[in-house]
Amino acid sequence: DGGITQSPKYLFRKEGQNVTLSCEQNLNHDAMYWYRQDPGQGLRLIYYSQIVNDFQKGDIAEGYSVSREKKESFPLTVTSAQKNPTAFYLCASRRLGQEGEQYFGPGTRLTVT
Amino acid sequence: SQQGEEDPQALSIQEGENATMNCSYKTSINNLQWYRQNSGRGLVHLILIRSNEREKHSGRLRVTLDTSKKSSSLLITASRAADTASYFCATGFSGGYNKLIFGAGTRLAVHP
Repeated sequence: DGGITQSPKYLFRKEGQNVTLSCEQNLNHDAMYWYRQDPGQGLRLIYYSQIVNDFQKGDIAEGYSVSREKKESFPLTVTSAQKNPTAFYLCASRRLGQEGEQYFGPGTRLTVT
Repeated sequence: SQQGEEDPQALSIQEGENATMNCSYKTSINNLQWYRQNSGRGLVHLILIRSNEREKHSGRLRVTLDTSKKSSSLLITASRAADTASYFCATGFSGGYNKLIFGAGTRLAVHP
């Protein structure tokens, strides 16, 4: 059963702590993306990666970091430098050469207090 | 600012009625995609229309694209309660990492 998994579904952290969100896919997709969604808003791109060991900043990368050591995995770390980290985080992947369509995971809701 | 903006922000209809959502964007695009999101879940791709296409159908979905007006519409015919969700348009660009820019979405409520 192919797809994208994100864990955990809900995550709670204290302000000042770094936290890492997991994203794994078994679709054999090359490209992976991280988005942030705030209430009543669309998705904003944080980071993306087209190939292992390479990734690029999206529109709102400040306060976030990623790694891409394996094709299947693209973890996102929300650092203490992120001013407003409470949000819904979505991971997506896409097969290179396939036009446009991105496949999304179920999301992780992060609450920082 | 966001590339795509949906209209209306919220739509409430009865089962069996048609639902129309509109999306406007600002710059030239390679394609425009519509996604669906159930509350608290990930997005699901519905349909993609290329910049050289004017209309596309998929089941009960009909999408139109007017590049001269930089606008698109999504029509859901004979709506069902299960269609209740948020619908987002996303504009796609050629080259690079195939960036998508999402609008803020239309929240659709279909009442039995």
